[in-house]
Amino acid sequence: KQEVTQIPAALSVPEGENLVLNCSFTDSAIYNLQWFRQDPGKGLTSLLLIQSSQREQTSGRLNASLDKSSGRSTLYIAASQPGDSATYLCAVKGYGGSQGNLIFGKGTKLSVKP
Amino acid sequence: DGGITQSPKYLFRKEGQNVTLSCEQNLNHDAMYWYRQDPGQGLRLIYYSQIVNDFQKGDIAEGYSVSREKKESFPLTVTSAQKNPTAFYLCASSMRAGGPSDTQYFGPGTRLTVL
Repeated sequence: KQEVTQIPAALSVPEGENLVLNCSFTDSAIYNLQWFRQDPGKGLTSLLLIQSSQREQTSGRLNASLDKSSGRSTLYIAASQPGDSATYLCAVKGYGGSQGNLIFGKGTKLSVKP
Repeated sequence: DGGITQSPKYLFRKEGQNVTLSCEQNLNHDAMYWYRQDPGQGLRLIYYSQIVNDFQKGDIAEGYSVSREKKESFPLTVTSAQKNPTAFYLCASSMRAGGPSDTQYFGPGTRLTVL
C-alpha cells in the first residue's frame, strides 16, 4: 500500500531564505506527483504537477523535482515571503482502480517570518 | 467565475442525525471526489465518481453515502452510522479521473462538528 511521508512536519524560516520541502513515497509505480498549498481553514490549491516521465516542473519561485527510483520529491521555494506561509501537501497518484486516486502526505506547515 | 462551491461552510449535527454536504462545480469536469481531513492528518478519500450515475468507495466510505445524478453536483451524506464525523470535508473535481496530467481542483471545504 502506498504511503507518503513529508518531512519536516513544520518549518520556520526568515523572509528571503531559500528552502526545500521533502516528500517520500514507498511505491515508485506512480502516475504523477502533485504539490498543493493549503491556507488555514481553506481548500487546497494545486501548485505543481510532475508526470512520472518528468524530472521537474517550475512555476515562478517554485521548483519541484521527482526521483521515482528513490521515491522522493522536493519542493524548492526561492526567496521566501511571509505570503508563502501555509501548509504544503504532497500527493501521488498510482495506476488504475482505487490506486488511481491521490494518496496524500500529512503536510509541512511553513511559517515565513518578516 | 468557474470553480467549485461547497455549502455550508460550517455545519453542526446532533448525534443520530444524518446531514448532507453540498458540492457543485461549473468546470465541466467528469470526475468528482470527497475527502476528509482531520487535524495533523493528510486527506483521506471517502468516495469518488468518474461519471454521472456512477461512483466508487474510497478508503473510508463506511458511514457515508453519495449520489451523482448531475455532472455538476456530488452531494455527500454523513449518516448516523459514521462514528466520528467531526472533521473538515473537502470536495474536488478533475477533468477526468485517469489522465497523467489530470489536476484536482478543490472547493473551500465544510467543517462539520457533532454536538
